[in-house]
Amino acid sequence: AQSVTQPDIHITVSEGASLELRCNYSYGATPYLFWYVQSPGQGLQLLLKYFSGDTLVQGIKGFEAEFKRSQSSFNLRKPSVHWSDAAEYFCAVGSAGFQKLVFGTGTRLLVSP
Amino acid sequence: DTEVTQTPKHLVMGMTNKKSLKCEQHMGHRAMYWYKQKAKKPPELMFVYSYEKLSINESVPSRFSPECPNSSLLNLHLHALQPEDSALYLCASSPLGGTPTDEQYFGPGTRLTVT
Repeated sequence: AQSVTQPDIHITVSEGASLELRCNYSYGATPYLFWYVQSPGQGLQLLLKYFSGDTLVQGIKGFEAEFKRSQSSFNLRKPSVHWSDAAEYFCAVGSAGFQKLVFGTGTRLLVSP
Repeated sequence: DTEVTQTPKHLVMGMTNKKSLKCEQHMGHRAMYWYKQKAKKPPELMFVYSYEKLSINESVPSRFSPECPNSSLLNLHLHALQPEDSALYLCASSPLGGTPTDEQYFGPGTRLTVT
């Protein structure tokens, strides 16, 4: 069965600094990978997704992610963090033949002034 | 209209009550989902409706009863809940009927408290 690991529970980044959130997946076939963001008390918003092709994908709000098959990773990056980026970030994997996403445990991003 | 709406935003109910959560989307999406999210945890899938038919039930207790009256509307009927059912209930929809590449659009959720 597919699984997703987000090894960092919390990350604190200074405003204006760069950000990288880690995501590792476990799945035997080609994974379908997603990053979602959730502000407190809100639903989830899709930042970006990877299905195939170029392994560097661009998303909304200046985020990007790189798929590395050899490392089973799909890390999320942003060159310069804004205070409004403080939120919970979830990596998720979908698989062919199933209508479900499996979410990682999430990483809470705190942005310091 | 590019959003998923959920009502009510907050709900407090006793263990003997019967209540319903409502979810609507007017984007023409063909799959709709219910998730349960406990504090500081990821969403957990409960049900999936694809083309108005229940396609996935993740072994959810029968005190939760989903209903999809039409392609735009999804309900979750609640009866005899337990305090541990208190959570944020998220609805989502996706355009293509629920394939793994389908982007899911989430509503803001209903915060449920069972007393």
